[in-house]
Amino acid sequence: GAVVSQHPSWVICKSGTSVKIECRSLDFQATTMFWYRQFPKQSLMLMATSNEGSKATYEQGVEKDKFLINHASLTLSTLTVTSAHPEDSSFYICSARETAENIQYFGAGTRLSVL
Amino acid sequence: SQQGEEDPQALSIQEGENATMNCSYKTSINNLQWYRQNSGRGLVHLILIRSNEREKHSGRLRVTLDTSKKSSSLLITASRAADTASYFCATVRGSNYKLTFGKGTLLTVNP
Repeated sequence: GAVVSQHPSWVICKSGTSVKIECRSLDFQATTMFWYRQFPKQSLMLMATSNEGSKATYEQGVEKDKFLINHASLTLSTLTVTSAHPEDSSFYICSARETAENIQYFGAGTRLSVL
Repeated sequence: SQQGEEDPQALSIQEGENATMNCSYKTSINNLQWYRQNSGRGLVHLILIRSNEREKHSGRLRVTLDTSKKSSSLLITASRAADTASYFCATVRGSNYKLTFGKGTLLTVNP
């Protein structure tokens, strides 16, 4: 299957700083990528849909100014958690939609810990 | 909101046994997919079944879909310790390609 690389896998930061997470599709082009958040022992919650060349579509209740998404190329989407606070600590996972198969391939996730 | 509901929430079996997980959903779907997640890792796509399909096989996996009951099942035959993971069903509605995940089943296969 296709490969999606997510970086970093783990980040610890101080409260008030911003953190950028990258999601790359390595062997296919992805016009659509997705960002999810997962709390311990819970399911994935879709945060936003990232569309190449246009603004991201955010799910209800997700703050656009808090979670900035940029999808500048067909292989890269970034999520920036701005002015992070301890309540933003979570596991963030991205996925990229492979058009031909209509399957989402997932990155390995980023564990964010805000002190 | 979570559309899929898996049951059981947790399942513990012995190596070699079969494991069956179920998923129910509430609205009409385009397709249903099953994913596996090892602890602290991303998701691995297992199988996709379209709304006009009733059964699909892939290796030791067998998935059924009953659209009249809005339910699906995932059967893993001859389980192995390496199958230990959380399993999620996810539905796709319409053409927006968004996945709506269920709460997952934690499968433990004891050696």
